[in-house]
Amino acid sequence: EVQLVESGGGLIQPGGSLRLSCAASGFTVSSNYMSWVRQAPGKGLEWVSVIYSGGSTYYADSVKGRFTISRDNSKNTLYLQMNSLRAEDTAVYYCATITYWGQGTLVTVSS
Amino acid sequence: SYELTQPPSVSVSPGQTARITCSGDALPKKYAYWYQQKSGQAPVLVIYEDSKRPSGIPERFSGSSSGTMATLTISGAQVEDEADYYCYSTDSSGNHSFWVFGGGTKLTVL
Repeated sequence: EVQLVESGGGLIQPGGSLRLSCAASGFTVSSNYMSWVRQAPGKGLEWVSVIYSGGSTYYADSVKGRFTISRDNSKNTLYLQMNSLRAEDTAVYYCATITYWGQGTLVTVSS
Repeated sequence: SYELTQPPSVSVSPGQTARITCSGDALPKKYAYWYQQKSGQAPVLVIYEDSKRPSGIPERFSGSSSGTMATLTISGAQVEDEADYYCYSTDSSGNHSFWVFGGGTKLTVL
């Protein structure tokens, strides 16, 4: 059974940093393209970033230069390093393939 | 920037057919994917590659795409189908690839 489990969310002050993790089981992270998707409270889904099996990475304009997606093949884990966080980054963050999604981790940026 | 446009809401009575559209300039050359999201839950894929249905998704869910519009059809909508629905697709510009969601459509079945 495929499972994606996110962790690392929490309350952080504006300008701070957080690293989200997504531990995968039942499939190989490096063999799939994987994305981070976020959802602000009461809002729609927003694509944040993708990493392809070959290692290419891409970002939404809203996070480019501040967020970095990566993976650790030995741990079968996806990451999202988030720097220079802003209030508007407050959201539930999901890691996802096309088919499988985690349950999300909440990031709250507030002083 | 690339956008996918959906109607904010669709309302049908139980047993009727619900159609949710998604408009985007790249849809003639890129697949559309559809997700269902119920309150407080993670999204669930209901249609992939325009018209394919994942295992476990009821047959009343179908998808189609023509030109710049993709359509999710729920034939004989049930009360349990009430949810937010999002289309999802990709495009590229130069050496930049990106994905985008539509704004979401709230389906009411009552």
